[in-house]
This record gives sequence, C-alpha cells and structure tokens, in this order.
Amino acid sequence: DSGVTQTPKHLITATGQRVTLRCSPRSGDLSVYWYQQSLDQGLQFLIQYYNGEERAKGNILERFSAQQFPDLHSELNLSSLELGDSALYFCASSIQTGGGYTFGSGTRLTVV
Amino acid sequence: AQKVTQAQTEISVVEKEDVTLDCVYETRDTTYYLFWYKQPPSGELVFLIRRNSFDEQNEISGRYSWNFQKSTSSFNFTITASQVVDSAVYFCALSETYGGYQKVTFGTGTKLQVIP
Repeated sequence: DSGVTQTPKHLITATGQRVTLRCSPRSGDLSVYWYQQSLDQGLQFLIQYYNGEERAKGNILERFSAQQFPDLHSELNLSSLELGDSALYFCASSIQTGGGYTFGSGTRLTVV
Repeated sequence: AQKVTQAQTEISVVEKEDVTLDCVYETRDTTYYLFWYKQPPSGELVFLIRRNSFDEQNEISGRYSWNFQKSTSSFNFTITASQVVDSAVYFCALSETYGGYQKVTFGTGTKLQVIP
C-alpha cells in the first residue's frame, strides 16, 4: 500500500456520461497530481494541486476538471466522455520539495 | 525545458541475461531529482529509486543497479540475471522544483519482456 488511495479501481461508463475519480493523498503530502495513461501511451500530466490551489496544468481537456478539498483529497471530473477517454488515470502525491511522487494504484476507466 | 528520453521502446531478453535500460535527460537546473518507476502488467506504478543531482554514486539494490553520469546526462538502470517477474514497463523521470512545487517529467517508458 503506497498510502495514496484512488477510488474506484475500475469504472465502465457510456459515451456522453460524466464520472468523478477520487484520490486521497499520502498523509502529510500537500500536492496532488493527476496523470492519464492511455493504451500504449506514456504518462500524460493533467493537473496539479497544492494545498487546495491549482498549481500547474498539463494536457487537460476542457471537458475535464479537478479540485482539491480542504482535507486535501482531490477529485477529477470527466464529462461528455468519449471512447478515447478510456485510460488508466493515476493520482500521485508528494511533499512540497523534491522527493518524487507516490502513485496510487490508478482508476481504469472504460468508455463504451 | 526539461526532457527525458528513453530511446528503447521495447527490449526482450532471455531469463538470466543482464539488461540495461537507458535514460537521458535534459535540464538547465543544477538541482534536480531522477527516478525510476516500474509498471508491471497489473498496472500500478512502483517507485524504484530516487537520485538527487549532487549524488553521483552508483547504487546497487539486489539485482538492480543504477549508473548516474552527469557528464552525459544519463541515468541508466541495469537488471542483473533478469527474471520473468522483471517483465514490465519501466519509466525514468526527472523532477525539478519551481516556486516551491515540483514539476516531474516522465520518459515514454521501456517495455521489458523477460522470456523464460
């Protein structure tokens, strides 16, 4: 157990729908990062939050949004889902400076 | 801008062979961290090692070893006497800190297949 909890582990939904992925960071970590990994693709950075504030944005679609709550857990909202959104979505957390990420086990999203 | 290159897309080796996974990075910063992560077929990302830019000592952990060379901006990973359980995708990553937060760039990964 890495200490980063992601729920749900698997999600199957239809095109056009909206889903919410949840992440609880490791205790003491203030930063949360979201990554998307499509089939045979590398890790694409989506967005980062630090202590409730958005800090950096990567290749995140406008249909996607995220937030980090006062208890530091984060949610990634994906709307108007398309087949191409099927992917493994990872959350990671870190301390403020250096140290690298600790990843959650990911949420596998399948859009049918 | 920072960049991580893993030129080897896929590697196949026979069990018990040694294999080296290459990682070359680009950064303008003098302070940074380098990492390796393993992603087995089950999908989770497993942290293997972190190395900071001021520590060029090579590290060995069991069958795993890492060779960090700042002169060539490389951080290569060697698995000695490979085993089937080593089959996975391995990612190299570079972390820099900007204004109190991290920016981590991942390479595209190297898929290692160890054939029994």
